[in-house]
Amino acid sequence: DIVMTQSPSSLAVSAGETVTINCKSSQSLFGSVRQKNYLAWYQQKPGQSPKLLIYLASTRESGVPDRFIGSGSGTDFTLTISSVQAEDLANYYCQQYYDTPNTFGAGTKLELK
Amino acid sequence: QIQLVQSGPELKKPGESVKISCKASGYTFTDYAMHWVKQAPGKGLKWMGWINTYTGKPTYADDFKGRFVFSLEASASTANLQISNLKNEDTATYFCARGGDTYHYWGQGVMVTVSS
Repeated sequence: DIVMTQSPSSLAVSAGETVTINCKSSQSLFGSVRQKNYLAWYQQKPGQSPKLLIYLASTRESGVPDRFIGSGSGTDFTLTISSVQAEDLANYYCQQYYDTPNTFGAGTKLELK
Repeated sequence: QIQLVQSGPELKKPGESVKISCKASGYTFTDYAMHWVKQAPGKGLKWMGWINTYTGKPTYADDFKGRFVFSLEASASTANLQISNLKNEDTATYFCARGGDTYHYWGQGVMVTVSS
């Protein structure tokens, strides 16, 4: 199984700051056929289902604010949230869908400082 | 619009069974797989497996082989998850999620509580 290692596990921020969440996979998520990385980022608020933010490592889901930026390739990926808003306080998960079982990172809790 | 609407919360005793439904609307049900994801209280997300909504063939993650069954009522655009011989560790929220590139659409989740 592909292991997804996410860091940090929690992050305390002030509104307006830029934050970076890292995700490392135990093997490359780059698919040679489509030349894409099969990595997604989700946001989950308490009591809600996960919401897709980014897929194919860097493609923003429709309706997601452009302050959410996904980057990286191969085994190392990053979610950057610029100018954090209060509404961004949530748990964030990376997920690989290169292979089954699809696996998730352990999550990063974004809290208010 | 595309929606996945799941059934309501369940309270069960150890050893009992539960069946959770996920009704899809807004798209052709058989065009996309349905995945299932478990989230224990205060924990992260765990992929349980998926079902091919065209053929009905299920695929289970290793930890979910044996007591877990994915099924379809294709005429009703509904996917089901049945868990038998419930254990305390099955207490969790269970999500369905539409397959495709990844999980663009999720159900609202069903909280299953197993307690004597």
